[in-house]
Amino acid sequence: ETGVTQSPTHLIKTRGQQVTLRCSSQSGHNTVSWYQQALGQGPQFIFQYYREEENGRGNFPPRFSGLQFPNYSSELNVNALELDDSALYLCASSLLLTLGGNSPLHFGNGTRLTVT
Amino acid sequence: TQLLEQSPQFLSIQEGENLTVYCNSSSVFSSLQWYRQEPGEGPVLLVTVVTGGEVKKLKRLTFQFGDARKDSSLHITAAQPGDTGLYLCGVNTNAGKSTFGDGTTLTVKP
Repeated sequence: ETGVTQSPTHLIKTRGQQVTLRCSSQSGHNTVSWYQQALGQGPQFIFQYYREEENGRGNFPPRFSGLQFPNYSSELNVNALELDDSALYLCASSLLLTLGGNSPLHFGNGTRLTVT
Repeated sequence: TQLLEQSPQFLSIQEGENLTVYCNSSSVFSSLQWYRQEPGEGPVLLVTVVTGGEVKKLKRLTFQFGDARKDSSLHITAAQPGDTGLYLCGVNTNAGKSTFGDGTTLTVKP
């Protein structure tokens, strides 16, 4: 069973730039969620993708966007980076159940983004 | 106001001591999860509690869900340095979203 993998592990960008983060979901999972974890805080929900469409979004501006591909892998794109975007970005995969609800989240080890 | 309030925020103890951390809310939940996150890694699920009053044990870790399903506790017996990490509680809300508390950072000194 292949776990959730994220790339890159670390990234340094300048304010105003754009960034793309990547995630490969665990085999057998059809849903990918992205979270932002600032230092000293718990993960904050950005959005979730299911069947290549956004399936729920947290309180993040439109410059945070995503994609899910047919193989269930996913990308998180952030435009016009701000200093406050510096954080650990976590990807989590799960299985959306036919009777509703999700199986438990399986997290990757995250991408540490630093915006200077 | 956060949906989930975790306490204490930081806890530093000696190996062999017992400890309890808490996750509180004014809302009622159908289930609640506990995760542990080690430095440089993502959170790893420890347990899901579902029934009010439920107690689950995982080796030296004991998890309890409040009778009213609004709060939960995690008790660790005879803590070891390997227990060091950030302990997060989380709940599933609508649209497949999980909401987390800000966690308790536990340090167990040898």
